[in-house]
Amino acid sequence: DTGVSQDPRHKITKRGQNVTFRCDPISEHNRLYWYRQTLGQGPEFLTYFQNEAQLEKSRLLSDRFSAERPKGSFSTLEIQRTEQGDSAMYLCASSVRQASGYTFGSGTRLTVV
Amino acid sequence: DAKTTQPPSMDCAEGRAANLPCNHSTISGNEYVYWYRQIHSQGPQYIIHGLKNNETNEMASLIITEDRKSSTLILPHATLRDTAVYYCIVRVEGNDMRFGAGTRLTVKP
Repeated sequence: DTGVSQDPRHKITKRGQNVTFRCDPISEHNRLYWYRQTLGQGPEFLTYFQNEAQLEKSRLLSDRFSAERPKGSFSTLEIQRTEQGDSAMYLCASSVRQASGYTFGSGTRLTVV
Repeated sequence: DAKTTQPPSMDCAEGRAANLPCNHSTISGNEYVYWYRQIHSQGPQYIIHGLKNNETNEMASLIITEDRKSSTLILPHATLRDTAVYYCIVRVEGNDMRFGAGTRLTVKP
């Protein structure tokens, strides 16, 4: 396992549909993060997990968004009733401990039409 | 975490050193300086981080001023593949990374 994997790489969906993204972190990393990035902006923090516990959620994470990390391994990010404003790159990252840098995946690009 | 200020864009000639500045005048004593870069259509890549001493690794050098209010990331011999957006982040260990807009570095042949 050489990196963080995200699936799918691209997703096009119609407004109002639900979408789910998956992130597989580096296996020994116990911290997992989700970010959102729109064109021309830096990544914005959404939420993070330590093992299976979701420890922080940004106010950007509206009630249409939910993230899970069952068993402290892979994570899913679901967006319900998608809106055009949800179009963005969704990035996942993991780290082995608090003091280390993050390893990011290549992201899932969501387009809501 | 303290806020950082970076120039929006910079150019560098291929083979020359690229020096990317970052201002973090409100940094506190327990905040580290991190640098990441993001090449188009990829996720950010960790480059280097430090607290107060200068740091060097195979990718870059990080020079932090004595008062820690600013830092410079140095790519000693820039190549075309170093063209990317470079993010400077100041962070207390344990807090999540908060990215700004970064500096868009263009390495020109």
